[in-house]
Amino acid sequence: GENVEQHPSTLSVQEGDSAVIKCTYSDSASNYFPWYKQELGKRPQLIIDIRSNVGEKKDQRIAVTLNKTAKHFSLHITETQPEDSAVYFCAANTGTASKLTFGTGTRLQVTL
Amino acid sequence: NAGVMQNPRHLVRRRGQEARLRCSPMKGHSHVYWYRQLPEEGLKFMVYLQKENIIDESGMPKERFSAEFPKEGPSILRIQQVVRGDSAAYFCASSPGELTEAFFGQGTRLTVV
Repeated sequence: GENVEQHPSTLSVQEGDSAVIKCTYSDSASNYFPWYKQELGKRPQLIIDIRSNVGEKKDQRIAVTLNKTAKHFSLHITETQPEDSAVYFCAANTGTASKLTFGTGTRLQVTL
Repeated sequence: NAGVMQNPRHLVRRRGQEARLRCSPMKGHSHVYWYRQLPEEGLKFMVYLQKENIIDESGMPKERFSAEFPKEGPSILRIQQVVRGDSAAYFCASSPGELTEAFFGQGTRLTVV
C-alpha cells in the first residue's frame, strides 16, 4: 500500500520568513496530493492540492511542487504570519478514489 | 450548504459499552470516508463507503468495528465493546465523486474510561 513520509516533524520560523515542508510517497499510481492544515482541536482543512499532471501550483502565499519521478512533493509558505501556526499534513491518494494516506504531520510555529 | 456534520462532538463511554458515531455528508456528496486520529498523530484511513455499499474497509480493525451508509440517513461508525485504545478523534470526510476534494467534519472525540 501507499506510504507517505513527512519532514520535518516540527518547524519554527520567524514571522515573514518562508517555511518548507517535504513529503515522499511510495505508490507510483498516486495522482492526487492534498495538503491539510489542522489547528488544535479542529478539523483538517484543505489548503491546496495538486494533481500529477502538473508540477507546481500556487495560491497567494502558498505553493506546492510535485516531482513524480522522485516521488516527492513540497509545501511552500512565504511571508509567514502567526496565524499560519498549526499542524500541516500532506497526503496521497490510493487508487481512483479520494482514499488518502496521510503523512505524520509538521507542527509549524511562527514566532514574532 | 452546510458542511459535513458529525455528532456527537464528544462521546464518553465506559469499557465494554458501544459507541455510535454519526456523519452526514455535504449535500450532493455520495462518498464518505472515516479516519481515526490518535493524539499527536496523523489521520489513518478506516473505511470508504458509498450509499448502501462498503467500497474499501481495509483500514478497519477486523473485530468490534463496523460502518454503514444507508440509503436514508447518516453514515454510522459503530464500535462495540470499546477499550481504552479506542480513545481517539474520529473524522468523517465526504466528496462528490472519486478523486475529488474531500471535506472533513469537525470530528467526534471518543474517550473510553
